[in-house]
Amino acid sequence: ILNVEQSPQSLHVQEGDSTNFTCSFPSSNFYALHWYRWETAKSPEALFVMTLNGDEKKKGRISATLNTKEGYSYLYIKGSQPEDSATYLCALHSGTYKYIFGTGTRLKVLA
Amino acid sequence: DTEVTQTPKHLVMGMTNKKSLKCEQHMGHRAMYWYKQKAKKPPELMFVYSYEKLSINESVPSRFSPECPNSSLLNLHLHALQPEDSALYLCASSQDNRLAGGRETQYFGPGTRLLVL
Repeated sequence: ILNVEQSPQSLHVQEGDSTNFTCSFPSSNFYALHWYRWETAKSPEALFVMTLNGDEKKKGRISATLNTKEGYSYLYIKGSQPEDSATYLCALHSGTYKYIFGTGTRLKVLA
Repeated sequence: DTEVTQTPKHLVMGMTNKKSLKCEQHMGHRAMYWYKQKAKKPPELMFVYSYEKLSINESVPSRFSPECPNSSLLNLHLHALQPEDSALYLCASSQDNRLAGGRETQYFGPGTRLLVL
């Protein structure tokens, strides 16, 4: 059974702080790694799809890196804002239609 | 339109009831998914439809019955559920491009929160 782990489970930061969290996955059966942002009572929103070792993606103040050899991805948020408060999910695409999700990191940015 | 809609938003049902969850997308996506998420757990894949045919059933009990009547609609029929089936049920869709090699983005609905009494 493939397992995707995310850490920390939850995080409180002050507005303006930069933060990062980790997604760990087995490096076998790797097709792609997806990051989602999920606000309460809304739909999970796709942030990044990462496929190549060493990939770096950026969207505004949010960026992500990928290491497929050691099986981890980092998500960084620079200068956190209250609207960044959400659960950040990663999902390993391990085969046709097979997406295995982590439990998420719940981020709360305090004004 | 990148929206996936799900109805109802909330559902309370007894163990003898029959109900259905509905999911709709108009992005021309040909893969549609049902996930189940229990509190503080990751979403777990239940079913995948590709071009209106069932491609994956992750050993889901028969009290859950999926249906894909056309390329835009996905239903989940519920019958004789148990209290442990209470969860958030998420629908998602993607283009279904086999050449994408895992790079396809899934678009999710907001989910139906189900409570079985």
